[in-house]
Amino acid sequence: AQTVTQSQPEMSVQEAETVTLSCTYDTSENNYYLFWYKQPPSRQMILVIRQEAYKQQNATENRFSVNFQKAAKSFSLKISDSQLGDTAMYFCAFMNPSLTGNQFYFGTGTSLTVIP
Amino acid sequence: DTGVSQDPRHKITKRGQNVTFRCDPISEHNRLYWYRQTLGQGPEFLTYFQNEAQLEKSRLLSDRFSAERPKGSFSTLEIQRTEQGDSAMYLCASSLAGGSYEQYFGPGTRLTVT
Repeated sequence: AQTVTQSQPEMSVQEAETVTLSCTYDTSENNYYLFWYKQPPSRQMILVIRQEAYKQQNATENRFSVNFQKAAKSFSLKISDSQLGDTAMYFCAFMNPSLTGNQFYFGTGTSLTVIP
Repeated sequence: DTGVSQDPRHKITKRGQNVTFRCDPISEHNRLYWYRQTLGQGPEFLTYFQNEAQLEKSRLLSDRFSAERPKGSFSTLEIQRTEQGDSAMYLCASSLAGGSYEQYFGPGTRLTVT
């Protein structure tokens, strides 16, 4: 079974500063995908960034980047130049494409607050 | 395209009643997922459809739960004889098979069983 662990239930960061959210996972698979989703208060989840395990290069999307360490099974999210709109729950998710349905396995989330 | 929609957004019901939720996926998406999210937890997989076929169900999906996706378009999730433990956010997501594996989520239906 795949498990995803987010060890930081809550974090805060000053506006314009940088923050890193951690995520570790456990799998015996070699081919998989990792995702970070953002869930703002009372709003739906949206994809922040995605990483394919077979790619060594870390994914980057504007102010969001990941540090993917495959051997350590670690997948952290770095948010640069934090903005008030980044305040949300952040979920790390794992997906194994060889499994029927490609369902996601989510961590318990990190609540991020950006302080003005 | 307006994204994934869910109806109702909120449902309050008494224990023992039946409830039904609806999900309308992104129109060209052939895969549809149901997840349940309780307070302080991440979403947990319940079931998944490819077109109209329900191909996988989680052990979380007890016999009181049933899901359908007639004609491979919208989907319904029904909970019979609701229990207080069913109180949660029910999320629907859709994706395109053979695509980027990204799932697009709806706003969810928050169920409160009193």
